Order: sequence, then structure tokens, then C-alpha cells
Amino acid sequence: DTAVSQTPKYLVTQMGNDKSIKCEQNLGHDTMYWYKQDSKKFLKIMFSYNNKELIINETVPNRFSPKSPDKAHLNLHINSLELGDSAVYFCASSIQGVRSSYEQYFGPGTRLTVT
Amino acid sequence: LAKTTQPISMDSYEGQEVNITCSHNNIATNDYITWYQQFPSQGPRFIIQGYKTKVTNEVASLFIPADRKSSTLSLPRVSLSDTAVYYCLVGDSDDYKLSFGAGTTVTVRA
Repeated sequence: DTAVSQTPKYLVTQMGNDKSIKCEQNLGHDTMYWYKQDSKKFLKIMFSYNNKELIINETVPNRFSPKSPDKAHLNLHINSLELGDSAVYFCASSIQGVRSSYEQYFGPGTRLTVT
Repeated sequence: LAKTTQPISMDSYEGQEVNITCSHNNIATNDYITWYQQFPSQGPRFIIQGYKTKVTNEVASLFIPADRKSSTLSLPRVSLSDTAVYYCLVGDSDDYKLSFGAGTTVTVRA
């Protein structure tokens, strides 16, 4: 049973396109996150939702728009893709709230390559 | 914003103990210090968590001094399969924003 799943695993696209990454968790958690991991392995939080409500929105271009249709799903839509968007995007979930105290469960990642 | 700093890399040999220290000067008073492990092409996974003093589980120990401005992850008797990137995670005392360290690449050699 996969706890946190993401689709697709790989995404190759051209500059200027619009793409979406989907995330689902079957853990019953209230909080979900999107992270970006660059080529230097630095993990940066982008967004966090708690019970479908946006609670963290870091300094991310507004071309990135998260959507949470229910607390088990958090999708990431990216408009007008740029070369600098190439990275691995991780979805994660935790039982409640955005605190380091709460163990996060990560998905397998989506490797986005913009050409 | 909480600034967490870790060594970029560490090399070790099988059977040795590996200690990775993370500095987090502005940690939130009520937040725990959490460490994650990441293998290539996988998402990070939880290893251990602590608030103060020492915590031990089946895979690691975590040492936290009284001021909590740093923490040390200890991996006893590492094996080749412990080769991974290790991250510390804390919350900032001002805004509780989460801050992952830059990660420490641990390479274990035979």
C-alpha cells in the first residue's frame, strides 16, 4: 500500500507549456506539502495545506498554483514553464499542522525537466 | 528564518560510527528536531526525532545539548546501505517556518 503517491514520476516538457503534478495520500493525514529539490539536493518548502486550506505559501512565482480538492489530494499546476523550474518535486503529508514535530511522509518525487 | 547548517559530506567505512552535527541557532521553543534520510531517486524518510538530551531507536541516536542550538545524529556501525543524504529539520522561533538543512551526503566504503 503506497502511503503518498505522485504522478507522473517523470515529466519532460518544453518551455512555455502548462503542466500538473498530482499527489494523493491514504494515511488520513490533515496536512500536505509541496517541496522543490534542486540539483544541489536542497529541499525547499513551497506550499502547505491543512484540511484543504492553504497555510504556507512561500515566495514562489505565481505561475505555481496548488489545489486541494479534498484533504487526501494536493495537486500542483505550473503555468508557462521555465528552464529554472527543472527540479524534483516532492509531495509530503503529516498528521496535522506544519511543525517539525510532526513526522512527514514523502512521495517518490516527480522529476520535471524543462527543455 | 531558521538557518540550519550541516556539513556537506562525510566519508566513512563499514562498521564505523558516523556523527553528523546540525546547527540551528533559532529553533522554536516547542519544536522537535527531526532527521530524515534520503536515498537516490526516493523521497526523504523519517529516521529519528527528539526534543532534548538523548533519543535512541533501532537505527540511530540523537544527541541534543541543553541549549538546543545544535543536534548530532549518530549512526552506529554503518554499512554500505547507509550511504545516503541526511537532513535535519527544525522550526524557526519567530515564525515556526520549517527549515531543512542543506543535507549531508554520507558515503560508506567497504
